[in-house]
Amino acid sequence: DAGITQSPRHKVTETGTPVTLRCHQTENHRYMYWYRQDPGHGLRLIHYSYGVKDTDKGEVSDGYSVSRSKTEDFLLTLESATSSQTSVYFCAISDSSAYEQYFGPGTRLTVT
Amino acid sequence: GQQLNQSPQSMFIQEGEDVSMNCTSSSIFNTWLWYKQDPGEGPVLLIALYKAGELTSNGRLTAQFGITRKDSFLNISASIPSDVGIYFCVSLDSWGKLQFGAGTQVVVTP
Repeated sequence: DAGITQSPRHKVTETGTPVTLRCHQTENHRYMYWYRQDPGHGLRLIHYSYGVKDTDKGEVSDGYSVSRSKTEDFLLTLESATSSQTSVYFCAISDSSAYEQYFGPGTRLTVT
Repeated sequence: GQQLNQSPQSMFIQEGEDVSMNCTSSSIFNTWLWYKQDPGEGPVLLIALYKAGELTSNGRLTAQFGITRKDSFLNISASIPSDVGIYFCVSLDSWGKLQFGAGTQVVVTP
């Protein structure tokens, strides 16, 4: 299995609070991605990174920011959490092949 | 927005049965992928298809890239309990990013 960890695995937070989710990889893969999974929508891309300090927006980036200061870490921040951001968040990594991505175990976030 | 239509949304099958699911789109794609998500885990790539008409197998799984390039099919033969999970068809959008269908939930009963 690809070495990808996500932390925390579960979090409950209140509306309006900032939240940061961490993705850590030990594979030295160049590309890292953040997705959210909601019933009826599959997985949707939030942001991705193609190298240290190189990031770009995905399909559902509003309300989210990311940072990648090291190859192994990709952080997803919700500056002010809203109930619509209650979801399961997955991090993924890939080397040169965009289609074969390795996913982490997910973080379940509940915003009350 | 969402361009991949998967059906059925869910299926309840008995162990030993064969399973078929499909994915359609109004757009033409050059790559079709099938991922599986086990309960409580992230998705894992099962099969990748690159050419219209291509038929590819992975154990008991067989997937086909539709001749029109607008659809793909996945078959599971002789289902077993560990086949339970969500099966996603996935394509590459025009920026080379993965685009997921909504998934087909498979439940296997003994």
